[in-house]
Formats: sequence, structure tokens, C-alpha cells
Amino acid sequence: QKEVEQNSGPLSVPEGAIASLNCTYSDRGSQSFFWYRQYSGKSPELIMFIYSNGDKEDGRFTAQLNKASQYVSLLIRDSQPSDSATYLCAVNMGGGSNYKLTFGKGTLLTVNP
Amino acid sequence: DGGITQSPKYLFRKEGQNVTLSCEQNLNHDAMYWYRQDPGQGLRLIYYSQIVNDFQKGDIAEGYSVSREKKESFPLTVTSAQKNPTAFYLCASSSGTGEQPQHFGDGTRLSIL
Repeated sequence: QKEVEQNSGPLSVPEGAIASLNCTYSDRGSQSFFWYRQYSGKSPELIMFIYSNGDKEDGRFTAQLNKASQYVSLLIRDSQPSDSATYLCAVNMGGGSNYKLTFGKGTLLTVNP
Repeated sequence: DGGITQSPKYLFRKEGQNVTLSCEQNLNHDAMYWYRQDPGQGLRLIYYSQIVNDFQKGDIAEGYSVSREKKESFPLTVTSAQKNPTAFYLCASSSGTGEQPQHFGDGTRLSIL
């Protein structure tokens, strides 16, 4: 069974701090990794995607990928109360010819003013 | 404005009734997907379609049916065989293989009367 695991949280950080969200996956052949943000009652919104080992930065967000250790993380710098949401990690397992994404159950992040 | 439109936003089903959820996209995406989300759970794939007139079962296809007669449209029917249909249903699309990110519509909330 191919799985994506996330700490369900809640993860609570003060405003202005760095929030670190982690995700592990079971399929070593996975190639594409995605982070979505989902506000309560809303649909998921794509934040970042990463394909290669290392860091990828976009504004206050940094995705980090380590394929050898089979984990991907999302760092949110200068966290804001508006960042409070559930963050979903999604992995394309089995290579690019596989259209399916496997989602983790999400980590609830709360940023306290 | 390009995007994915799901309708209706809320839907109520009577016992023994089939209901159809609409999903339309004007992003010119080849692939479309249907997910189900239950409270506190991740997204589970119901059906997906890589191209017009072709679709594949996802992880939880029992009690559901789909069609893909047009590139823009991928309706989902929740049949009376689906005994626990109450959930948040999300439609997504992507431009190609699993390496491409999926983008979501606003979702449909289905409840049993």
C-alpha cells in the first residue's frame, strides 16, 4: 500500500515564526511532490511543487525534498494568522506516466497573533 | 477567467436516489479527477480521466459512475448503491501526466435527507 504520512497536528506557532510541516512517503520511485493549503470548508489550493532534491523557494514558502530519506517538507517564514489552515502533502507515485496523486491526511496549522 | 466550476455547491440526496455532480473546466486540461473528502481525512480518488471517452477507477469507485464525452466536462453520478454518500466532493484537472499539478474546483457538499 503506497502511503503519504503527515503529522495531523495541530501545529501551533506564534505570528512571525517559522512553521515547519513534514511529509514522508512510501514509494521510493516517486518523482513529483505537491503542497496544498486548504482553509476550513474550502477546496485545496496549490502552494508549491517540487521535483528535484534540495530547496525551492517562493516568497515566504520553501519546499525541501530529500528523495533518499523519502521526505518532503514545507517551511513558512514570517507566519501570519492568514496562514492558519490545513496543509496537504500530495505525491505522484510510480513516475510521470501515473496520473494519480496520493494525498496525506493533512497537518492543521494555527498561527497565533 | 480560466478555472474549474463545480455545481451545485450543496446537494441533498433522498434514499434510493441517484444524483449527478457537475464539473466543467475551461483550462484546456486533458486530465480530470474526482475526489471525496470526509471530515478530518485526506482526499480519496474516485475516478479519473486522462482523455475524452476514457476513464479509470480510483481507490473508491464503488457506487459512483462518470462519463467524459467532452474535454471540458466530467460529471460524477452518485448512485443509490453508495450507502454513505455524505462528503465533500472535489473535482480537479491537470494539463497532463502526474508530474503536472492538479487544480481544484470549489467543491460540492452532498448530504442525505
